Amino acid sequence: QSVLTQPPSVSAAPGQRVTISCSGSGSNIGSTYVSWYQHFPGAAPKLLIYDNNKRPSGIPDRFSASKSGPSATLGITGLQTGDEAHYYCGAWDNSLNIGVFGGGTKLTVL
Amino acid sequence: QLQESGPGLVRPSGTLSLTCAVSGDSINNNEWWTWVRQAPGKGLEWLGEIFPSGNTNYNPSLKSRITMSVDKSKNQFSLTLTSVTAADTALYHCGRVPAGGSWRLDPWGQGTLVTVSS
Repeated sequence: QSVLTQPPSVSAAPGQRVTISCSGSGSNIGSTYVSWYQHFPGAAPKLLIYDNNKRPSGIPDRFSASKSGPSATLGITGLQTGDEAHYYCGAWDNSLNIGVFGGGTKLTVL
Repeated sequence: QLQESGPGLVRPSGTLSLTCAVSGDSINNNEWWTWVRQAPGKGLEWLGEIFPSGNTNYNPSLKSRITMSVDKSKNQFSLTLTSVTAADTALYHCGRVPAGGSWRLDPWGQGTLVTVSS
């Protein structure tokens, strides 16, 4: 069981918008920063979002994120077939003193 | 850039040893170097991290089975996991926690698959 909870899968049509939720607790998301990762099978996971809502250089503004209390949300607009991947949220847990991740969400662009 | 390497098959009760080669960055910077794994059909699991000084943080779930080390001369760091079982079968990634700011992993290695089987 992952410490952070994500839906196993989401889907939407090309061009549309999708959101992926990530639920934690006061010892992780509720008190630390959230990061989001994109993972294509066989490739290195890529940092999409850090500090709850900041994009590293090179990440398009189609990707955005927010945080409210112990939960966070990743949003992707203008969906493309190339966005089909697994998405993970992550955060530091101040009680467990470890990094924690969600179970991952598989995005399907129909 | 990070690149994992190591045996793809380990016998039960044996020792898993992996190395992460770092290029384009010095492992001696003030950054944490991390191991994460993903068992088949499961999410990501943080295993532990090591600082260039040798300070470590390990996932308590691995108890005394895990050890990490840094080799500054080779610009790489390593993971050792003892008394492995089938539950340790996973894709193992290494990653870097950039200096300053909040905790996040960037970049990651593409991972190396380790199967525990006789």
